Amino acid sequence: GAVVSQHPSRVICKSGTSVKIECRSLDFQATTMFWYRQFPKQSLMLMATSNEGSKATYEQGVEKDKFLINHASLTLSTLTVTSAHPEDSSFYICSAPASRNQPQHFGDGTRLSIL
Amino acid sequence: DAKTTQPPSMDCAEGRAANLPCNHSTISGNEYVYWYRQIHSQGPQYIIHGLKNNETNEMASLIITEDRKSSTLILPHATLRDTAVYYCIVRVGSQGNLIFGKGTKLSVKP
Repeated sequence: GAVVSQHPSRVICKSGTSVKIECRSLDFQATTMFWYRQFPKQSLMLMATSNEGSKATYEQGVEKDKFLINHASLTLSTLTVTSAHPEDSSFYICSAPASRNQPQHFGDGTRLSIL
Repeated sequence: DAKTTQPPSMDCAEGRAANLPCNHSTISGNEYVYWYRQIHSQGPQYIIHGLKNNETNEMASLIITEDRKSSTLILPHATLRDTAVYYCIVRVGSQGNLIFGKGTKLSVKP
């Protein structure tokens, strides 16, 4: 079945560092990928939609200059958290649909901890 | 607004069937019912989905009422590894994203 790979699984870094998270579709092409964020004991919230070959679409309240998204190919989307601060510590998860009417498949998430 | 209502938590004995209910009384005619689960510190895992008919796969069965206002996910023989938060999702956002509610935390006990 469709597989989405996310890397790294965990990052611990100092405040002010920029962190890049990769999301790859391993056996299908994804023109769209979704980036979610999940705080402790809460549900997943959509941050942005990554579109291959065009600009990402950000949800209200998500700073596009802080959370840079690049969807350079049909199998790779990256999320860069720029100048990360402790309040950016969270669980970041990507997903992609294998095709329009197929269920979405999720990566295993990236646990980001900013000290 | 996730458009679904699930009990916040449920317990199930190991080896027994786990029946997880979901109310979606405002579901539209063309909206699917999706079930995902999330084991601690992992990404959500797809379980099953359906539109009108009951569905079964290697993981679970999905029973959808005739009026489509509710559904039940059935794990026929729950194991300890089935302990997770189970999400029933019917709403898809304008971008095609899934909209998650709070889910049901299922605890399978020995």
